[in-house]
Amino acid sequence: DGGITQSPKYLFRKEGQNVTLSCEQNLNHDAMYWYRQDPGQGLRLIYYSQIVNDFQKGDIAEGYSVSREKKESFPLTVTSAQKNPTAFYLCASQGRDTNTEAFFGQGTRLTVV
Amino acid sequence: GQNIDQPTEMTATEGAIVQINCTYQTSGFNGLFWYQQHAGEAPTFLSYNVLDGLEEKGRFSSFLSRSKGYSYLLLKELQMKDSASYLCAFDGGATNKLIFGTGTLLAVQP
Repeated sequence: DGGITQSPKYLFRKEGQNVTLSCEQNLNHDAMYWYRQDPGQGLRLIYYSQIVNDFQKGDIAEGYSVSREKKESFPLTVTSAQKNPTAFYLCASQGRDTNTEAFFGQGTRLTVV
Repeated sequence: GQNIDQPTEMTATEGAIVQINCTYQTSGFNGLFWYQQHAGEAPTFLSYNVLDGLEEKGRFSSFLSRSKGYSYLLLKELQMKDSASYLCAFDGGATNKLIFGTGTLLAVQP
């Protein structure tokens, strides 16, 4: 079955530690996105990538890093420089051949303890 | 710049009709999406409008006016399970960014 998978679903991290969130898709989509969602809020764009080996900062990129070495994978690292990392993180992918919907992973809820 | 605006909360009665508005500003624009999101879950796709006009899909319809930077989502015959957040988003043209609004939390009451 084609889809987009995020792991893990829940993640706990100690202050000062870096942590990497996984996002994998087998939809052959070129575009991939990372969003952050805080309680009762909308989705804010962290990073996005339109093609392998290229990515762009979104509105709230500070304290985060990404890579796009393979079309299928777009991991997000939350670094210790991110002052308030506790949030719900959503990864999405979108085809570029036609204007199509973006598909979302199930999300990763990160809690700093 | 790019921005998108929608009401924060709305309340409606089971069986009624509700319209959720969305206004946006952007220099590049491919189309406008509507997503539904239940608490703690990922958003699910509802509709995508590229051209002006109304698109109907069962109980849900979506309207777009590109010249006015305006869209709305119309939900008919409301059911309790329609209680959720509704997110509008635009595909930002050449920038290829998918930008979301803050979402409208809809509460359907008996």
